[in-house]
Amino acid sequence: NAGVTQTPKFQVLKTGQSMTLQCAQDMNHNSMYWYRQDPGMGLRLIYYSASEGTTDKGEVPNGYNVSRLNKREFSLRLESAAPSQTSVYFCASSLYAQPTGRETQYFGPGTRLLVL
Amino acid sequence: GEDVEQSLFLSVREGDSSVINCTYTDSSSTYLYWYKQEPGAGLQLLTYIFSNMDMKQDQRLTVLLNKKDKHLSLRIADTQTGDSAIYFCAPLTGGGNKLTFGTGTQLKVEL
Repeated sequence: NAGVTQTPKFQVLKTGQSMTLQCAQDMNHNSMYWYRQDPGMGLRLIYYSASEGTTDKGEVPNGYNVSRLNKREFSLRLESAAPSQTSVYFCASSLYAQPTGRETQYFGPGTRLLVL
Repeated sequence: GEDVEQSLFLSVREGDSSVINCTYTDSSSTYLYWYKQEPGAGLQLLTYIFSNMDMKQDQRLTVLLNKKDKHLSLRIADTQTGDSAIYFCAPLTGGGNKLTFGTGTQLKVEL
């Protein structure tokens, strides 16, 4: 049971390049999330998918797109990377869209992205 | 929107108790979570408290909730070097479907 996995672990991009961050979970969770973590700012929600077939914007969606490929997989795409998108990206999943006690969000190890 | 505030750093000696504080603004938060992030890793769920409780103990961890003052704290007894990490407070807000994360408190445990 691997939990939430993310690829790649590290990536360096040039401004204007595109890339897709991959996330998969094996816990049969219904909801999946993408966050970014910047120093001194905690985690900010980019997009989420409450259930397979739905996606919604979070707090900071500009410059990103997402695809809920199936129940297991949720990808994040940067179409034209900018230096402001240098960050650590975390994927998370939860059984329910509304966390209840221990049934809350579980996180992957993160992808460290540097945009030059 | 919801604001969640934490101090950025805390330094303690091994064996002492650590207290990490958090204040929040959404009085309707039902569950309030603490996550731990070790260097280079993702966030792992540490513990949580339901809003109708004012204290929860889980081995070396004690969570205190003051709903009137919207203040949450995490006490770690007998702090060890393995407790060095960033600790995030995350109240459940937005009608119960959104976790709002604080800035995180970096705990450094010195020998």
